[in-house]
Amino acid sequence: SAVISQKPSRDICQRGTSLTIQCQVDSQVTMMFWYRQQPGQSLTLIATANQGSEATYESGFVIDKFPISRPNLTFSTLTVSNMSPEDSSIYLCSTSRGVNTEAFFGQGTRLTVV
Amino acid sequence: DAKTTQPPSMDCAEGRAANLPCNHSTISGNEYVYWYRQIHSQGPQYIIHGLKNNETNEMASLIITEDRKSSTLILPHATLRDTAVYYCIVAGGGADGLTFGKGTHLIIQP
Repeated sequence: SAVISQKPSRDICQRGTSLTIQCQVDSQVTMMFWYRQQPGQSLTLIATANQGSEATYESGFVIDKFPISRPNLTFSTLTVSNMSPEDSSIYLCSTSRGVNTEAFFGQGTRLTVV
Repeated sequence: DAKTTQPPSMDCAEGRAANLPCNHSTISGNEYVYWYRQIHSQGPQYIIHGLKNNETNEMASLIITEDRKSSTLILPHATLRDTAVYYCIVAGGGADGLTFGKGTHLIIQP
């Protein structure tokens, strides 16, 4: 299995500010994924982050709002920019070992925007 | 949109087998069936996955119909700690992220 650590685990932020969420994996992985889980909802994929290339965003998510960095094979960050109360969600990072293998998830970052 | 259909909720008595159904009638030949669960306030946890054969591990069994259009996750002896939202996901390969549906909220009753 892969151990994924996310920081911070939770935060309360003022609207208009930005928050950067860190995701650290205990081993080198090729693919890392970022998800959003709005209150009472299921998970929605935000983007896929590959080391050495720009992140690939899903429909409805844009780089200006959710810039992602992937500086090496064990680390990624997601920034939630210019936050509004609608951004209040749990943000989770995930990875897998390879094709047709299980995915592993961090414990999530619970963000509240006031 | 999710490629799977699950009942929104189910109850099961503690100690009994919990059988969670999932329909995936549009599954492709190279797609696997994965099951994850999410206990309140935690990240999703992998349970089991399979292509066409039945699978069993220490957590659960996965029964996939011969036509692969549906499957059942079986928790053989449910405990209160198995109360969670269970997600059935169809996916092919590890290169793409997962598409989560609404899942089944399984409640284990004492």
